[in-house]
Amino acid sequence: EIVMTQSPATLSVSPGETVTLSCRASQSISSNLAWYQQKPGQAPRLLIYGASTRATGIPARFRGSWSGTDFTLTISSLQSEDLAVYFCQQYNDWSSVIFGGGTNVEIK
Amino acid sequence: EVQLLESGGGLVQPGGSLRLSCAASGFPFSGHAMAWVRQAPGKGLEWVSGISGSGGSTFYADSVKGRFTISRDNSKNTVYLQMNGLKVEDTAVYSCAKDRILGGARPHYFDYWGQGTLVTVSS
Repeated sequence: EIVMTQSPATLSVSPGETVTLSCRASQSISSNLAWYQQKPGQAPRLLIYGASTRATGIPARFRGSWSGTDFTLTISSLQSEDLAVYFCQQYNDWSSVIFGGGTNVEIK
Repeated sequence: EVQLLESGGGLVQPGGSLRLSCAASGFPFSGHAMAWVRQAPGKGLEWVSGISGSGGSTFYADSVKGRFTISRDNSKNTVYLQMNGLKVEDTAVYSCAKDRILGGARPHYFDYWGQGTLVTVSS
């Protein structure tokens, strides 16, 4: 089974900073990776799919990239509304999807 | 507007059963695969099960295989999750999610989620 490892578990940042979240797959998943944002008490929101394509309505400050099995979500000029937990998810496997453990982005 | 509304959660004893429902609206239901994803209190997301748009293909996480059954009724725009042999570790909020891919036959990624229904397994 593919394992998705996100790091760090928690990231303390200040508004205006650029933050980088990492997600590593235990084996090749091509570009079949999505990123979600989940705020407290809310359902997850799709941010990125295909490793780098922003979903409808997602601001340009959210950027996805990848190299091999390492995937990155970069949030530029972090805004207070961006404080949330971010999950990556692989969908390369034909019969299942796997989420990473999440990164909690909080105020420093 | 896409809406997903789950129901059927509650308190059940270990070994018991529950049937969750998810009523969908606002999109061509039979054209999209659907999934159930759960989140234990304070924990991350765990994909549980998926079903193709036609209902002909179903998929399960290893943790629920043989105990849970996903199904759908496209005439009612509803997807179900029958949960048998429930364990304490199945306690979570269960949400249904719409696969973004139109016509996809297997799980991909999810562009709409319901708010979820809480399942508590406890004696």
